[in-house]
Amino acid sequence: GAVVSQHPSRVICKSGTSVKIECRSLDFQATTMFWYRQFPKQSLMLMATSNEGSKATYEQGVEKDKFLINHASLTLSTLTVTSAHPEDSSFYICSAITGIHEQYFGPGTRLTVT
Amino acid sequence: QQQVKQSPQSLIVQKGGISIINCAYENTAFDYFPWYQQFPGKGPALLIAIRPDVSEKKEGRFTISFNKSAKQFSLHIMDSQPGDSATYFCASTNTGNQFYFGTGTSLTVIP
Repeated sequence: GAVVSQHPSRVICKSGTSVKIECRSLDFQATTMFWYRQFPKQSLMLMATSNEGSKATYEQGVEKDKFLINHASLTLSTLTVTSAHPEDSSFYICSAITGIHEQYFGPGTRLTVT
Repeated sequence: QQQVKQSPQSLIVQKGGISIINCAYENTAFDYFPWYQQFPGKGPALLIAIRPDVSEKKEGRFTISFNKSAKQFSLHIMDSQPGDSATYFCASTNTGNQFYFGTGTSLTVIP
């Protein structure tokens, strides 16, 4: 299957700082990438849909000014959590879609805000 | 309205047994039905998927059964192993623009 990488895998930051998470499709081009947030023992919560070369589409209730998404190329999307607070601590997962609608996930990023 | 309903929430199976997880969907326009396997602290991994033009797809010990008229699909894990212990999510989509996930099933395979 296709490979999606995510970096960093784990990050601890202080309250008020910003954190950037990178998501890369390693062996295919992805016009669409998704960003999810997952709470313990729960399903995936879609945050936003990222399309190459255009603005991301955010789900209802997700603050676009807080969670900045950039899809600069067909293989790279970034999520920046701005002015992070403890309630932003979570497991963030990206995914990329192949041309035949297969969705491949990254390994996830564990964010802890202290 | 929840687009995809998944059951059971948790499942305990003896080693060598068959694990069965069920999903039901609402939107008849959905045309792609994947199953994902997720281990703790890891991202979900695409396990197997089916499109509505077939009623069954088998890959090794994993089989998807699809019932278009009932709008249901299920994952069967044959000869379940302790290494299969994970959380399984079903999903549905059309065009791949948005995926709707089930709530997940925590599978435990007892040695």
